[in-house]
Amino acid sequence: DAKTTQPTSMDCAEGRAANLPCNHSTISGNEYVYWYRQIHSQGPQYIIHGLKNNETNEMASLIITEDRKSSTLILPHATLRDTAVYYCIVSSYRGSTLGRLYFGRGTQLTVWP
Amino acid sequence: GAVVSQHPSRVICKSGTSVKIECRSLDFQATTMFWYRQFPKQSLMLMATSNEGSKATYEQGVEKDKFLINHASLTLSTLTVTSAHPEDSSFYICSASSMDQPQHFGDGTRLSIL
Repeated sequence: DAKTTQPTSMDCAEGRAANLPCNHSTISGNEYVYWYRQIHSQGPQYIIHGLKNNETNEMASLIITEDRKSSTLILPHATLRDTAVYYCIVSSYRGSTLGRLYFGRGTQLTVWP
Repeated sequence: GAVVSQHPSRVICKSGTSVKIECRSLDFQATTMFWYRQFPKQSLMLMATSNEGSKATYEQGVEKDKFLINHASLTLSTLTVTSAHPEDSSFYICSASSMDQPQHFGDGTRLSIL
């Protein structure tokens, strides 16, 4: 599976947009980009995923570059509860044993008042 | 979002005991379930992948006789840590997915072996 590169940590003011970058320069054509987050001592929470088009849901937006070598997760109005470790993962397929997720170290996002 | 329930949330037991952890997909049929382990201040490490009715596929370095996985139905998978020792103490997390659902995770089980 392709590896991803994320900054170790980021800060964001409450109410502002949080933009979390991810590089995945070796992504294959059939690999999706997934974003999860983990609040301390809990299981990861699914946020969003995409293949090549930008995606938006009630939690966040995912912007994937045209060459698919990088993406950005956008939390439009960060709150204190968004403080968590955010993981960007690429995976080949979901709903089968091919859809394994290999977690890296992620980005620790801290939202401050 | 989809709900995955994991039980128990915390287990403390003596060395040599076998411990069973349950993972249930509450609102969708999970064709595939995954088990992860997370040590303090580290990321999640995938242990094994299982499809309903099939034997689990273990990641390299994970002992299949130590960590028994059963995925007997589309809503239930169990992980049994056999003859647990202090080094098996960790945070164990399951996830479930299907053709229509990305992986959704349980809240984890904190296992402490004395």
